Amino acid sequence: QVQLQESGPGLVKPSETLSLTCTVSGGSISGYFWSWIRQPPGEGLEWIGYFYDSGGGNYNPSLKSRATISVDMSKNQFSLTLTSVTAVDTAVYYCTRIPMAGTGPDYWGQGTLVTVSS
Amino acid sequence: DVVMTQSPLSLPVTLGQPASISCRSSQSLLYSDGNTYLSWFHQRPGQSPRRLIYKVSKRDSGVPDRFSGSGSGTDFTLKISRVEAEDVGVYYCMQGAHWPNTFGQGTKLEI
Repeated sequence: QVQLQESGPGLVKPSETLSLTCTVSGGSISGYFWSWIRQPPGEGLEWIGYFYDSGGGNYNPSLKSRATISVDMSKNQFSLTLTSVTAVDTAVYYCTRIPMAGTGPDYWGQGTLVTVSS
Repeated sequence: DVVMTQSPLSLPVTLGQPASISCRSSQSLLYSDGNTYLSWFHQRPGQSPRRLIYKVSKRDSGVPDRFSGSGSGTDFTLKISRVEAEDVGVYYCMQGAHWPNTFGQGTKLEI
């Protein structure tokens, strides 16, 4: 059974960088798409970006190049950095696995709330 | 971005009765490979979303057969044949044919 676990600071100051890590257990990163999706409190779901295996991916243009996803295959982890955060970046951040392009995630982490506030 | 519009946004239902949620996309979700990339998710309060259906009508493993998906092009429907108490929560449709993939605003199902 694949499990995903997000980790990282729960509080980030405005204009600083948000950094989260997703640890994958019960399966390998190889051979799948992986993504970050976020959900502001009480609101809907928004894609941040995805990557395939250890290769390239894509980011939501709405984030204006602030997001970067990196992968450490040796640790079976992938990470998200989001620069120049503001209050609108306050959200629950989920890491997910996507078994097939276009079908959406079949496995989700429990999510981690990141609050942007001074 | 492709806009996904769900209706209704709130759906009061009676246990044992059917329920239906509509999802419309601003562009066709038929991809060049011949597949239509529309998925449905269910999110219970305080939990992560769970995928129920992908490619319009394919149920995920472990999803009860009272859930069914249908539609084509820009018009899609999720049906629950007989609502059970565990079905409460918010349902989202999601399109995967265009990047960025986008979700509907959600439909809250309550008993």
